Amino acid sequence: DVKVTQSSRYLVKRTGEKVFLECVQDMDHENMFWYRQDPGLGLRLIYFSYDVKMKEKGDIPEGYSVSREKKERFSLILESASTNQTSMYLCASSSVWGQGTYEQYFGPGTRLTVT
Amino acid sequence: AQSVTQLGSHVSVSEGALVLLRCNYSSSVPPYLFWYVQYPNQGLQLLLKYTSAATLVKGINGFEAEFKKSETSFHLTKPSAHMSDAAEYFCAVSTRDNDMRFGAGTRLTVKP
Repeated sequence: DVKVTQSSRYLVKRTGEKVFLECVQDMDHENMFWYRQDPGLGLRLIYFSYDVKMKEKGDIPEGYSVSREKKERFSLILESASTNQTSMYLCASSSVWGQGTYEQYFGPGTRLTVT
Repeated sequence: AQSVTQLGSHVSVSEGALVLLRCNYSSSVPPYLFWYVQYPNQGLQLLLKYTSAATLVKGINGFEAEFKKSETSFHLTKPSAHMSDAAEYFCAVSTRDNDMRFGAGTRLTVKP
């Protein structure tokens, strides 16, 4: 069974802290994604990665960075957390366009609260 | 770039009634289309997908959707709602690796 796991389900951090969210997939997927989900806004793409050490900015990259040192692991980093980064963060992975059916598989999400 | 519009942020139906969740897309090239479901405090789970084969797509839990190119629509239906269908539903469109776009979501409530 395909699986995407995220390091924490719930996280509470203080303003200014550095925050690491980790995601691991076991499907040997090339693509990995980080989204944030806010009520009424759907999912917004923060960053994605199409290969190890490769990354591209999504729609809302400001205040975030990412790291992909191994194919199965994709980390989201909040360099200095702020209250407006309180949100649900979802990680996903997919195969490459044209291979397989390309749907994205999601982790359970991390609900981050910044106080 | 492609985009998705889901009509109605909240839909309420009675148990046993027809479920209809609307999705319209915009894309300059043939798209792949998806419906996902999200239960409270969980990630998204794929319900069904259209990838240029049959226009009527059947998914899990009795849901289906029909791709209508002339109407640029991909509405999700289920003949008879069940209490367990209460969740948030997202329509998504994609045309290349890094560009899957999600709608804002529709929250489905099922009344007993």
